[in-house]
Amino acid sequence: AQSVTQPDIHITVSEGASLELRCNYSYGATPYLFWYVQSPGQGLQLLLKYFSGDTLVQGIKGFEAEFKRSQSSFNLRKPSVHWSDAAEYFCAVEQNQGGKLIFGQGTELSVKP
Amino acid sequence: KAGVTQTPRYLIKTRGQQVTLSCSPISGHRSVSWYQQTPGQGLQFLFEYFSETQRNKGNFPGRFSGRQFSNSRSEMNVSTLELGDSALYLCASRTSSYQETQYFGPGTRLLVL
Repeated sequence: AQSVTQPDIHITVSEGASLELRCNYSYGATPYLFWYVQSPGQGLQLLLKYFSGDTLVQGIKGFEAEFKRSQSSFNLRKPSVHWSDAAEYFCAVEQNQGGKLIFGQGTELSVKP
Repeated sequence: KAGVTQTPRYLIKTRGQQVTLSCSPISGHRSVSWYQQTPGQGLQFLFEYFSETQRNKGNFPGRFSGRQFSNSRSEMNVSTLELGDSALYLCASRTSSYQETQYFGPGTRLLVL
C-alpha cells in the first residue's frame, strides 16, 4: 500500500537558518508528489509539486524540493527561514488510478527569533 | 478567481445528530474531494465527486455520504454523529483529471459534544 512518512513531528529552527523537512514515500510507480503548508485554523496551501522532469522543483515562498527516486524521498528545503514560515507542513503522494492524496503525518515548524 | 469556499466555518453538534457541510469549488473545477483531519489520524480521504458522480471513496463508514450538484458544488453529510467525528473537514477542487493540483478550502471545524 502507498504511504508517506514524515519522520520529524516537530522541528525548531532559528530565523535566517536553513531548513530541510524530510519526506519518504512508498509507491510502486512514478509518484506524483506534493508539499502543502497549513497555518493554524486554515486550509492547505500548495507549496510545490513534482509530476515528472527536473527532479529539483521550485515552489512559492522560496521553497524547493528534490525528488530522489533511489531514496524514495522528496525533501523540502528553504535556504533562509522567516518567522512567517512557522506552520505545519504536509508531504503527499497522489494515488495512482484513484486520484486521492495520501498524506504524511505532518511536520510542525517553529521559528525562533 | 475566487478560491474554494466552505460553509459553515464552525459547527457544534451533539451526538446522534446529523450535519451537512457545503463546498463551492473554484469556478471551472468539476472535481471535488473531501478530507477529514484529526490530531490522531491526520488527513484522510473521504470521497471524490466528478460530474455529480462519486468517483472514489475512502474507508469511512456509511454514515458519511456526499453529493455533487450540476454546478459542481458539493455537500457532505454525516448522520448519527459520534464524538470521534469531531474534526476539520477540508474540501479540495481541481479541474477534472487525476494528477492535477487539488486546491483546498479553509475547512469546516466540527465539534461533536
